Amino acid sequence: ETGVTQTPRHLVMGMTNKKSLKCEQHLGHNAMYWYKQSAKKPLELMFVYSLEERVENNSVPSRFSPECPNSSHLFLHLHTLQPEDSALYLCASSQGIQGSPLHFGNGTRLTVT
Amino acid sequence: AQSVTQLDSHVSVSEGTPVLLRCNYSSSYSPSLFWYVQHPNKGLQLLLKYTSAATLVKGINGFEAEFKKSETSFHLTKPSAHMSDAAEYFCVVRLSVSGYNKLIFGAGTRLAVHP
Repeated sequence: ETGVTQTPRHLVMGMTNKKSLKCEQHLGHNAMYWYKQSAKKPLELMFVYSLEERVENNSVPSRFSPECPNSSHLFLHLHTLQPEDSALYLCASSQGIQGSPLHFGNGTRLTVT
Repeated sequence: AQSVTQLDSHVSVSEGTPVLLRCNYSSSYSPSLFWYVQHPNKGLQLLLKYTSAATLVKGINGFEAEFKKSETSFHLTKPSAHMSDAAEYFCVVRLSVSGYNKLIFGAGTRLAVHP
């Protein structure tokens, strides 16, 4: 079982819906990340949280809203998405943000119709 | 600017034959480099990392990579491919910006292994 759990595994939503992606890590890490993986494009870093504070917002549209209530949980709230937002959204965690490897979850496959 | 280029989008080998996945990087500083693997419907798993110690780095599942500064390369190799090695592989360079380390991912190489 992976130390980083993402739910749901698959999500289909309309452009007017509001939904949330959830990530939970069981590794005792203090940094968490959201990445977007689109077909034929490199992984894109979206957000970084360290000790529950956001340290990076990589020019992500406001229709994506992250939340990190504690060091074990990370959410990505979605609203009024576009079809081009369809992708695999990966959560990761690490111990510190200065060099330890990232541990990834299995991702949420999002389809926007 | 730092970047990473994976020279092959697809590589196909027969089971039991060697694997070579090529990666070139561009970095103004001595880089930290990684290889990650992603199996279908899974997240990314760290295979190995280079952080300015030994230039030949051994990873999990029999993979290894050699850092060659003169060639700005960090190719991934395995002597004998196994069917379970079929996956997508990402070469990654880490750069330090704004007080934290940001990972730059290559576009990925999809490895197919045939019986």
